[in-house]
Amino acid sequence: AQSVTQPDIHITVSEGASLELRCNYSYGATPYLFWYVQSPGQGLQLLLKYFSGDTLVQGIKGFEAEFKRSQSSFNLRKPSVHWSDAAEYFCAVGGLGGYQKVTFGTGTKLQVIP
Amino acid sequence: SQTIHQWPATLVQPVGSPLSLECTVEGTSNPNLYWYRQAAGRGLQLLFYSVGIGQISSEVPQNLSASRPQDRQFILSSKKLLLSDSGFYLCALGGEGRSETQYFGPGTRLLVL
Repeated sequence: AQSVTQPDIHITVSEGASLELRCNYSYGATPYLFWYVQSPGQGLQLLLKYFSGDTLVQGIKGFEAEFKRSQSSFNLRKPSVHWSDAAEYFCAVGGLGGYQKVTFGTGTKLQVIP
Repeated sequence: SQTIHQWPATLVQPVGSPLSLECTVEGTSNPNLYWYRQAAGRGLQLLFYSVGIGQISSEVPQNLSASRPQDRQFILSSKKLLLSDSGFYLCALGGEGRSETQYFGPGTRLLVL
């Protein structure tokens, strides 16, 4: 069965500092990987996704993520965090072709301090 | 472009009352549709998904049901709400192309008292 682990429940960073949110997945074949962001009281917004090809994926709002098959990881990064990045971030894994269940991690809540 | 509408945005209901949450989508045809629940401080729990009109799959046994009367309409219902049904309900669509990229609606906040 597929699964996603986000080991950090809560992270606090200073504005302007770099950010890395961790995500580890378990999937029996080549995974599709996603990062979503959720602001309080809002739906989830897709930041980026990895299907194949270049393992470094660029997304919206200056985020990027790197797929490392050997480590079963898909960590999200941003070189300089802005106060508006404070939100909850979800990693997800899915499969190829037709309906494939997407499994979400439990989320990492990011706090940005001045 | 795809748009997902959910209503109501917020709902306060007494225990034992019925429930109907509606999700409609625009800008796509024959999408896969999903209902998720997000309890306070927890991740997303998939409740139901639908790959077509009248086709509903339930992921977990619960007090809720879902229906898809039209291609772009997905309804979440309950005959009698429980306190544990409180949460944030998200509708999502997916299924375009080869990948199951899911796009989410704005959500409905349900409080059962």
